[in-house]
Amino acid sequence: GAGVSQTPSNKVTEKGKYVELRCDPISGHTALYWYRQSLGQGPEFLIYFQGTGAADDSGLPNDRFFAVRPEGSVSTLKIQRTERGDSAVYLCASSPSGGGSYEQYFGPGTRLTVT
Amino acid sequence: AQKVTQAQTEISVVEKEDVTLDCVYETRDTTYYLFWYKQPPSGELVFLIRRNSFDEQNEISGRYSWNFQKSTSSFNFTITASQVVDSAVYFCALARNQFYFGTGTSLTVIP
Repeated sequence: GAGVSQTPSNKVTEKGKYVELRCDPISGHTALYWYRQSLGQGPEFLIYFQGTGAADDSGLPNDRFFAVRPEGSVSTLKIQRTERGDSAVYLCASSPSGGGSYEQYFGPGTRLTVT
Repeated sequence: AQKVTQAQTEISVVEKEDVTLDCVYETRDTTYYLFWYKQPPSGELVFLIRRNSFDEQNEISGRYSWNFQKSTSSFNFTITASQVVDSAVYFCALARNQFYFGTGTSLTVIP
């Protein structure tokens, strides 16, 4: 079956612009996670959805970052007033349920470059 | 606080050698889950194994084996008879609700 997909695969934007990154989880997976991965680092947790609601958004670095999952499937990560420090690979993962009791299936990521 | 430490940043081995990747974790929870993921050069993270905190039984899957020891808060990963295709970055992770990843160990297997 189809895995987790993310679009776009690459995004280059200018400092100060707004960007949206999209994640399509595996069908039927209720849990969805966003991570940010900088070069040479492990994935850094941003936010976790269980269904339509954000169960844990403690990893969002500041109020420029926001994510939604209005129908409990596709999720969009939104970044306002982008800064050069936001440049990273943004990873999405889904799992059948949350809480760590299931493995996460990762998408290929969106490489964001802020110039 | 939850934390995962992978002290080995980079490891190089010659093909067919055995190699062990170390993972040490910190948590105050009694129920938690531990994971290993592989990130090949293509970039996509691939799930390898999941263990819960109540199951310390070691596991073997082909050339891969894992040693979980709660007494030392370690969850080490051994690849036996390494192959070039094993070259990748390997991440250990701790999960309760959110996932905490280590910084990864980059393994290079030299032919």
